[in-house]
Amino acid sequence: GQNIDQPTEMTATEGAIVQINCTYQTSGFNGLFWYQQHAGEAPTFLSYNVLDGLEEKGRFSSFLSRSKGYSYLLLKELQMKDSASYLCAVLDSNYQLIWGAGTKLIIKP
Amino acid sequence: GAVVSQHPSWVICKSGTSVKIECRSLDFQATTMFWYRQFPKQSLMLMATSNEGSKATYEQGVEKDKFLINHASLTLSTLTVTSAHPEDSSFYICSARDHRKGDGQPQHFGDGTRLSIL
Repeated sequence: GQNIDQPTEMTATEGAIVQINCTYQTSGFNGLFWYQQHAGEAPTFLSYNVLDGLEEKGRFSSFLSRSKGYSYLLLKELQMKDSASYLCAVLDSNYQLIWGAGTKLIIKP
Repeated sequence: GAVVSQHPSWVICKSGTSVKIECRSLDFQATTMFWYRQFPKQSLMLMATSNEGSKATYEQGVEKDKFLINHASLTLSTLTVTSAHPEDSSFYICSARDHRKGDGQPQHFGDGTRLSIL
């Protein structure tokens, strides 16, 4: 079966750095997405990785290792507004998005 | 700006009512749109894939006669929750992908519809 694993919840301090991990086992791979979802709102797109390596976009970076079936989202200089759920999703061989359950990130002052 | 518009954003209605939710792609044509449901503190659950000009593909466990999907044009898909009951109360979200830009494009989400059945 297809499976995406990410931690249920993480806590970090304002101004710090946090890394949210995602491991996947899917039938084929056509890219991995990270989305941010605030409570009561729809997800918003953060990043897309299809090749190995690190993609940096401002305070957010996303890393992919296809051989390890592993990705992480790195958030720097955390702000209170970063408190949200972060969803990892993989595009499988049929170009269907397989979603992780999401990681709830709690930022403390 | 928003590339996918979803309407209405909030619905409160009596049990037994049918509710229609619209999803529009604003600046691209979407041959495929996706309908999700999300219960509080739970992950997104794909309900069905809406295909323009053909029948929707429903996920296992989703009643196609209860959740009617119509994808009549390249920019509009509708989800109708028929004879809604309190257990159908949830957050319904649509999404679409601009295939013209290639398959590895993110899904863009509508703002979601919060459905409350009394």
